[in-house]
Amino acid sequence: AQSVAQPEDQVNVAEGNPLTVKCTYSVSGNPYLFWYVQYPNRGLQFLLKYITGDNLVKGSYGFEAEFNKSQTSFHLKKPSALVSDSALYFCAVRVGYNTDKLIFGTGTRLQVFP
Amino acid sequence: EAEVAQSPRYKITEKSQAVAFWCDPISGHATLYWYRQILGQGPELLVQFQDESVVDDSQLPKDRFSAERLKGVDSTLKIQPAELGDSAMYLCASSPTTSSGYEQYFGPGTRLTVT
Repeated sequence: AQSVAQPEDQVNVAEGNPLTVKCTYSVSGNPYLFWYVQYPNRGLQFLLKYITGDNLVKGSYGFEAEFNKSQTSFHLKKPSALVSDSALYFCAVRVGYNTDKLIFGTGTRLQVFP
Repeated sequence: EAEVAQSPRYKITEKSQAVAFWCDPISGHATLYWYRQILGQGPELLVQFQDESVVDDSQLPKDRFSAERLKGVDSTLKIQPAELGDSAMYLCASSPTTSSGYEQYFGPGTRLTVT
């Protein structure tokens, strides 16, 4: 079955420290992978995506993600966290070749402490 | 910057009543999606349109939910009758086209509470 897993419900990090939000996937064929961020009572905002090419993808707000095919992972990273990064983060994978249907993980709440 | 518009932002309705949500995608975007997000979960696709045609509605509960995009621009999602389990955030998203790897742009959502 095609799926996305975010193993951590919450990640806590001090401001200025590096952060990692984990994501693993299971999908047939070459994966299209996405990260989105959601602030309270808001829709999702696109951060970055991996389609093909360089395994290290850079996105908005200083975030980056590393695609690892052997480990079927797409972890989100940032070298130095900000308090304003505190939000809910979703990993998603596209399934199907004729649609852009996304399957989302359950989300990871990132809390950055001053 | 162009955005996906949704209304209303909040809706409270009693069970067995009808409710409708509206979405206006980013201008020129051919593909429109409706998602349902239950509290504590990721969004789940309900229906996808390419222009005015339905591409995927496999997860849409068709006995009570309907969606249309008559002119291939804005869209309406309807629930009739609403049930307590329909309480959720309903998100609309759009992208330039289908099967291209484009990211989806999300609107602010409509939070539905069924009492």
